[in-house]
Amino acid sequence: NAGVTQTPKFQVLKTGQSMTLQCAQDMNHEYMSWYRQDPGMGLRLIHYSVGAGITDQGEVPNGYNVSRSTTEDFPLRLLSAAPSQTSVYFCASSLDYRGYTFGSGTRLTVV
Amino acid sequence: AQTVTQSQPEMSVQEAETVTLSCTYDTSESDYYLFWYKQPPSRQMILVIRQEAYKQQNATENRFSVNFQKAAKSFSLKISDSQLGDAAMYFCAGSGNTGKLIFGQGTTLQVKP
Repeated sequence: NAGVTQTPKFQVLKTGQSMTLQCAQDMNHEYMSWYRQDPGMGLRLIHYSVGAGITDQGEVPNGYNVSRSTTEDFPLRLLSAAPSQTSVYFCASSLDYRGYTFGSGTRLTVV
Repeated sequence: AQTVTQSQPEMSVQEAETVTLSCTYDTSESDYYLFWYKQPPSRQMILVIRQEAYKQQNATENRFSVNFQKAAKSFSLKISDSQLGDAAMYFCAGSGNTGKLIFGQGTTLQVKP
């Protein structure tokens, strides 16, 4: 049972490049979320999903896109990376919003 | 709208002593859960304790307990007999059936030997 798997663990992008952060879970969880963590600001919700085909914006959605075509996967897309998107990104999943499992995070640097 | 607020950026405690981390929340959801997460330098998010907001009884997990004051919308974490391994960032968070898990800003806990 792998839990929540995030790839890659580290990434350096140039301004304007695009990339997709991958998140997969094998626990048949309906709820999945993406967060960014910046010093002094805790974890801020980017986008979340309550099931396949359903996504919604969180607290800081600008510059990020998501889709949820399967229960298992919830990729986060940066269409045109900016230095302000330098952060640590976490994916989380939950069966029923009563307890969440987190991935190990992706450290993204945009230069 | 949901909000979770931690007003203590840093706290310090002597080993074996007790420390309390504060958290307040606001939500209009009736079925709401509150969490404390620990994040050590490894960045791993570790669930410390969970409280169901419709239950008045305070949750306890070994040396960790909460003081849940529903009317005041307060959810503080008490760590008893603090150990060096308790040093970490602690986050308060809340979630309802909309699926939005919202975090506070975090409190860095230092444990002094």
